[in-house]
Amino acid sequence: SQQGEEDPQALSIQEGENATMNCSYKTSINNLQWYRQNSGRGLVHLILIRSNEREKHSGRLRVTLDTSKKSSSLLITASRAADTASYFCATGGATNKLIFGTGTLLAVQP
Amino acid sequence: DAGVIQSPRHEVTEMGQEVTLRCKPISGHNSLFWYRQTMMRGLELLIYFNNNVPIDDSGMPEDRFSAKMPNASFSTLKIQPSEPRDSAVYFCASSWGQGARTQYFGPGTRLTVL
Repeated sequence: SQQGEEDPQALSIQEGENATMNCSYKTSINNLQWYRQNSGRGLVHLILIRSNEREKHSGRLRVTLDTSKKSSSLLITASRAADTASYFCATGGATNKLIFGTGTLLAVQP
Repeated sequence: DAGVIQSPRHEVTEMGQEVTLRCKPISGHNSLFWYRQTMMRGLELLIYFNNNVPIDDSGMPEDRFSAKMPNASFSTLKIQPSEPRDSAVYFCASSWGQGARTQYFGPGTRLTVL
C-alpha cells in the first residue's frame, strides 16, 4: 500500500513561476525523500530531509517537513521547461525500504 | 560509475511465456529493490534484498513472480507464466548502507504481455 499521497495530482505553470507540491503520509518516519521522474525514465533522487529537520534547501529546491501534521512540501522556484516531470515523495522508516507516493505531474510551459 | 543497469529495456511476449528481467546494481551498494510501475497502481515495491538476502517480498503479487540475487552484482526477476496484467514498467534500484537511504534507479524494463 502507498503511504504518501501527493497533492495536486497535476500542476501546470508558466516558466519562471514557483511550483509547490505537497505530500501527506500516515505513519512515523525516519526521513522523507523527493524524487523526479522524466517521462520514460527511472526516478532520480532530489533531496532527503530527516525527521528532526524542518526545512532543507538544494539549489532551486526547498523542502519542508511537519511531522506533527505528517506532511511535507516541495517548492521549486523560478521553474524552467526542463523541470517538467513527475515528482514523488517517499517515506523511509526503520527498514531499508521506501514507500512512494502517487506523484504530482508538473508541466512547465515555456 | 555506470549506474544501475537493467536489461532488456523493452520486452514483448505472449501470455504464458516466461519472462526474465535482469539488474546490475551500482558496485558497492548492499541493497537492491524491484519495483513495478503502472498507471493504475503507481510505483509498487515488489521485493528487496540486503546483502543478497531477500528481506521483504510482501509486494510480490503471486507465485508466478520470483526474484533471486545470486551475488552482489546481479539480480533477476522472473515471471512464469506471464499474463497481460503483468504489463508494466519494472524498475530496479540500489542503495548503500543501512536504513532508508537514497535509492538509485535503473532505466526500467517496459514489459508488454500480449
